[in-house]
Amino acid sequence: NAGVMQNPRHLVRRRGQEARLRCSPMKGHSHVYWYRQLPEEGLKFMVYLQKENIIDESGMPKERFSAEFPKEGPSILRIQQVVRGDSAAYFCASSPAGHNTGELFFGEGSRLTVL
Amino acid sequence: AQSVAQPEDQVNVAEGNPLTVKCTYSVSGNPYLFWYVQYPNRGLQFLLKYITGDNLVKGSYGFEAEFNKSQTSFHLKKPSALVSDSALYFCAVRDRSGNTPLVFGKGTRLSVIA
Repeated sequence: NAGVMQNPRHLVRRRGQEARLRCSPMKGHSHVYWYRQLPEEGLKFMVYLQKENIIDESGMPKERFSAEFPKEGPSILRIQQVVRGDSAAYFCASSPAGHNTGELFFGEGSRLTVL
Repeated sequence: AQSVAQPEDQVNVAEGNPLTVKCTYSVSGNPYLFWYVQYPNRGLQFLLKYITGDNLVKGSYGFEAEFNKSQTSFHLKKPSALVSDSALYFCAVRDRSGNTPLVFGKGTRLSVIA
């Protein structure tokens, strides 16, 4: 089984541009989580999605950030009008079911650099 | 709200010596507890978890962790460290309500010196 696939692995954007990060969960997994890792900090939860539904977006900034997980295709984390503070590693994780006893399976991350 | 504390930013240990990476948690009720490892420029890899049962949990690569409810701790241990164990280690907690996401600590950087 292929693991969680994230792309791009590295993305450079200038301030004001848009960043789109994609995540394909493991085969058979229908639940996707996005986390952000800032330098010297741990992982901060952003959003939890199932197919076509946002279940928990309590960690998502209220402005400029959005996420979706369509019926077909990967989950997408979208950051509009990026600022330097958005520079971070963004990790996607998947699980076969929701908040439960199981571990999350993480992708390799997408590293966003805002110039 | 649930939280995790990893009191040490950095742990240094000589190869062959035992290692401990500390973790304490705060959660309503009984927790689900996890340890993950991250190598440079990589994603997180699952090491082990405590759900219920025996307080001593054994995981991948010879690691183990002990759940201590009275001290609200879940320290990661290994009897004999390897240079290849050098990495960033994250403790994580989730409550049992099923309604909250996995919350991570800030991570502890383990350096094993030959």
